[in-house]
Amino acid sequence: AQTVTQSQPEMSVQEAETVTLSCTYDTSESNYYLFWYKQPPSRQMILVIRQEAYKQQNATENRFSVNFQKAAKSFSLKISDSQLGDTAMYFCAFRLKTSYDKVIFGPGTSLSVIP
Amino acid sequence: EPEVTQTPSHQVTQMGQEVILRCVPISNHLYFYWYRQILGQKVEFLVSFYNNEISEKSEIFDDQFSVERPDGSNFTLKIRSTKLEDSAMYFCASSEVSGSNRQYFGPGTRLTVT
Repeated sequence: AQTVTQSQPEMSVQEAETVTLSCTYDTSESNYYLFWYKQPPSRQMILVIRQEAYKQQNATENRFSVNFQKAAKSFSLKISDSQLGDTAMYFCAFRLKTSYDKVIFGPGTSLSVIP
Repeated sequence: EPEVTQTPSHQVTQMGQEVILRCVPISNHLYFYWYRQILGQKVEFLVSFYNNEISEKSEIFDDQFSVERPDGSNFTLKIRSTKLEDSAMYFCASSEVSGSNRQYFGPGTRLTVT
């Protein structure tokens, strides 16, 4: 079975600073996708960034980037130049490439950006 | 950007009552999902649905739960006899094709069972 772990239940960062959220996962499969979802206080979950396991290059979306370490099964999210709107719950998530359905979520990290 | 919508945003019901949570997926999407998030806990997969059939379901999705696409646009989750532990946020999601990287999530329905 696949599992996703986020070891930081809560984090805070000063506005304009950089913060890194940790995520580790466990799987015996080699083909999968990894995601970071953001859930602001309004509750709608938004896809922030995604990574395909077969790609060695780390994904980047504007201020968001990941550090994907496949051997270590680690998938951390770096937020640069943090903004107040980044305050949200962040979920790391996993889906097998062979499973067309189920996304497995980590427990989440609550990020607060402090002005 | 297209959006998944859900109604109601908040539903309060008494234990033992039936509830129906409604979702309108993105119009050209063919795959539909329900997830649940109990307060303070992680998001959990409930069920996926394609071509008017359940394609995968979790152990949470027992006989008290059912899904339906009654009219080609709505996608519903029914809980036949609610229990206190059904209180949670329920998220609908849809994707254009199976295997798509991206599932689009709705804003959720908060279900409170009293």
